[in-house]
Amino acid sequence: GAVVSQHPSWVICKSGTSVKIECRSLDFQATTMFWYRQFPKQSLMLMATSNEGSKATYEQGVEKDKFLINHASLTLSTLTVTSAHPEDSSFYICSAHGQTEENIQYFGAGTRLSVL
Amino acid sequence: SQQGEEDPQALSIQEGENATMNCSYKTSINNLQWYRQNSGRGLVHLILIRSNEREKHSGRLRVTLDTSKKSSSLLITASRAADTASYFCATPDKLIFGTGTRLQVFP
Repeated sequence: GAVVSQHPSWVICKSGTSVKIECRSLDFQATTMFWYRQFPKQSLMLMATSNEGSKATYEQGVEKDKFLINHASLTLSTLTVTSAHPEDSSFYICSAHGQTEENIQYFGAGTRLSVL
Repeated sequence: SQQGEEDPQALSIQEGENATMNCSYKTSINNLQWYRQNSGRGLVHLILIRSNEREKHSGRLRVTLDTSKKSSSLLITASRAADTASYFCATPDKLIFGTGTRLQVFP
């Protein structure tokens, strides 16, 4: 099956710094990738849709200047949390469509961000 | 608002028992998908059922779909401790997930 790699799996940073999370589709091309945020024991909340070669589409309430998304190639999307604060601490997960019309999602393993 | 809503929110059973989770959704769908998430990990696709299907099996998984009631159920038979995880239903429209059912299977 399709494999999505997400890196890093865990990051701790100081308040005010920026953190970049990478999401790669390893064995398929992904024109569209998705970024989610998940709080403990909660569902995944879609943050944005990352489109290769164009601007990301952000969900309502998500600050695009805070969460910068770049999808520069068909296999890589990055999420940068800028000027991170403790309230940004969360579990971030990326996913990509498979190659079928059924919109099955293939997920990365997630990144746990802790902002001190 | 969430497109899918699972119930129960939490379920605890003994190994060997069956586990049933339900999902309700709000709009018309082409298909409905079930995913599993182990604690602190990404989601893994389990099974997809199309809108013109009423039941589908995959190993110990059985999924039903009732489009008239906008509901689906996931049955895990002969559960194992390794089935302990959170289970989510999702529709392909904007990939909005429900709140999930946290299943705990005790050995």
